Amino acid sequence: KQEVTQIPAALSVPEGENLVLNCSFTDSAIYNLQWFRQDPGKGLTSLLLIQSSQREQTSGRLNASLDKSSGRSTLYIAASQPGDSATYLCAVCPYGNNRLAFGKGNQVVVIP
Amino acid sequence: EPEVTQTPSHQVTQMGQEVILRCVPISNHLYFYWYRQILGQKVEFLVSFYNNEISEKSEIFDDQFSVERPDGSNFTLKIRSTKLEDSAMYFCASSELTGREQYFGPGTRLTVT
Repeated sequence: KQEVTQIPAALSVPEGENLVLNCSFTDSAIYNLQWFRQDPGKGLTSLLLIQSSQREQTSGRLNASLDKSSGRSTLYIAASQPGDSATYLCAVCPYGNNRLAFGKGNQVVVIP
Repeated sequence: EPEVTQTPSHQVTQMGQEVILRCVPISNHLYFYWYRQILGQKVEFLVSFYNNEISEKSEIFDDQFSVERPDGSNFTLKIRSTKLEDSAMYFCASSELTGREQYFGPGTRLTVT
């Protein structure tokens, strides 16, 4: 069974600092990995999808890397802003099915 | 930009009652999913649906749950006899093809009293 872990569970950073969020998973047989953003009481907004054959994916200030063999992904958010305050979820799509396995999230607070 | 929509946003029901949660997936998507998130816990997969039948389901998705695509646009999750522990946020998602990006709706918060 795929287990997804996100460290740290919570962090606070001053505005302007770069954010580094870590995700690890136990089974490297995956289709892809998605990073989501979740605001309190709200839905999940897809940020980036990395296919299993890719090493990284970028969108604006966001960059996600994937090291499938070691079961790790990192989400970098450059020059953080207060609007980046949210919970960031990592989800892995195992090879052969579509049931995303989620981590518990990294809860981020960016201090103005 | 196309998005997944869900209704209602919040549903309160009494234990033992039936509830139906509704979703409209993105129109050209072929795969549909339900997930749930109990407060403070991980998002959990419930079921996936393709070509008018269930393609996968988790251990959570027991006989109390059912899904249906009653017409060309709606996708529903029915809980036959709700329990207190069914209180959660229920998310619908859809994807174009298998193994592709899943797009989530805003969720329905179900409160069972």
